[in-house]
Amino acid sequence: AQSVTQLGSHVSVSEGALVLLRCNYSSSVPPYLFWYVQYPNQGLQLLLKYTTGATLVKGINGFEAEFKKSETSFHLTKPSAHMSDAAEYFCAVSALRAAGNKLTFGGGTRVLVKP
Amino acid sequence: DAGVTQSPTHLIKTRGQQVTLRCSPKSGHDTVSWYQQALGQGPQFIFQYYEEEERQRGNFPDRFSGHQFPNYSSELNVNALLLGDSALYLCASSLNRVNIQYFGAGTRLSVL
Repeated sequence: AQSVTQLGSHVSVSEGALVLLRCNYSSSVPPYLFWYVQYPNQGLQLLLKYTTGATLVKGINGFEAEFKKSETSFHLTKPSAHMSDAAEYFCAVSALRAAGNKLTFGGGTRVLVKP
Repeated sequence: DAGVTQSPTHLIKTRGQQVTLRCSPKSGHDTVSWYQQALGQGPQFIFQYYEEEERQRGNFPDRFSGHQFPNYSSELNVNALLLGDSALYLCASSLNRVNIQYFGAGTRLSVL
C-alpha cells in the first residue's frame, strides 16, 4: 500500500520569498513521485515528476523537488514566490505495475502569496 | 494536440438519480483513470481502464461503474446518487507502461 502526507494544509508566503511544501510518502515498492498544481475551478497540472535517476528534479514555473529515500520525502521548493503561484498543490505517489498505476494523493497544501 | 477533455463541465442531479460522465483521453493515450475530489480534499482513485477492461479499482462501491470504448474514451456511471457523491470528478489519461497521468478539467457534480 502507498500513502502520502503533506505537512501543512495552508502555507502563506510573501512575494519573492522561498516556497517550501513538504511531502512524505510510504511505499512498499520503489515509488514514482509527482507534484501537481490545481488552480481554482480547474483540473490538475503536472509540475514535476521523479521516476528514476537524478534525485533533484526540475519542473515548470521554477519549481523543483528532491527525492530523499532515507527520509521518504519529496519536498517541493521555489526560490522566489510569485503572485501567480497562489494555488493548491498536491503530492502523489504511484508505482508502475502491470495491474495499473493509480495515483495516491496527499490532502493538498493551499498556498497564499502576499504582496 | 488536444489534451484530456471531459463533459459536461457541471451537472446538478437529485438523490437517487443516475449520472454519466464522459472523458476523451489525450491523443495517443490508451489508459484512462477516474478520480473523485471532494471539496477541500485530495483526489481519490476510483478505477482505471485499459484495453476496455477495468484493471484496477479503488475503495468505491459498486454504484460506481465505468466503461472504455475502442477509441479509448471512457464513461463513469454513478447509480443511486447520494448527497456525498457531490464532488469534482477528474479523468486522467496515460500511455500504458509510461507512468505519467494527465488530467482533464473535471466535471463538477452537485447532488441535491
